[in-house]
Amino acid sequence: GQQVMQIPQYQHVQEGEDFTTYCNSSTTLSNIQWYKQRPGGHPVFLIQLVKSGEVKKQKRLTFQFGEAKKNSSLHITATQTTDVGTYFCAGGPQGTGGFKTIFGAGTRLFVKA
Amino acid sequence: NAGVTQTPKFQVLKTGQSMTLQCAQDMNHEYMSWYRQDPGMGLRLIHYSVGAGITDQGEVPNGYNVSRSTTEDFPLRLLSAAPSQTSVYFCASTDGSPGTGASYEQYFGPGTRLTVT
Repeated sequence: GQQVMQIPQYQHVQEGEDFTTYCNSSTTLSNIQWYKQRPGGHPVFLIQLVKSGEVKKQKRLTFQFGEAKKNSSLHITATQTTDVGTYFCAGGPQGTGGFKTIFGAGTRLFVKA
Repeated sequence: NAGVTQTPKFQVLKTGQSMTLQCAQDMNHEYMSWYRQDPGMGLRLIHYSVGAGITDQGEVPNGYNVSRSTTEDFPLRLLSAAPSQTSVYFCASTDGSPGTGASYEQYFGPGTRLTVT
């Protein structure tokens, strides 16, 4: 079946270091979304990307969608302790209306002050 | 707006018992989904609905039933609970506006932590 793989599973960084998580789909996506989940909380939407090669920025966060619409990345510049949590990508496969979302397993970010 | 609400927050069941997890949203969203979250496995789609009266299976539908009689409510029923169904369950809704400006943003409820013994 369709799969969305996300790496790394965990990342420990020192505050101020950069962080990147990568997402790869086995099939072409119509869109990709990114979510953040704090420990004990629920996923919170960060952004969606729908165009091939799209790049979006939110302050220190940069999101990219690959040209083939099968991979994506989230890069955080100069991490802060408030960035702690698990980051999920979620892909909407083409042909499903984009709403039958498949989530990656997530990357848990630990930030040491 | 309350957003997406889920009840109960915690539940313990014995093997073989049945129960219904409630989910409601007050944003008039057409699309609603149920996910389960297990350690190291992210969120897996159980069932989803594209509108009242329309439901479909996700990745892991076995052992669960859903119905969507109104836009607001999307309950998840466990028919005969098994220990493998111990998990955190999240309900989500999406605006789902059609066309090039479609928003796929999912609003999640706070979750139900279910333990089956």
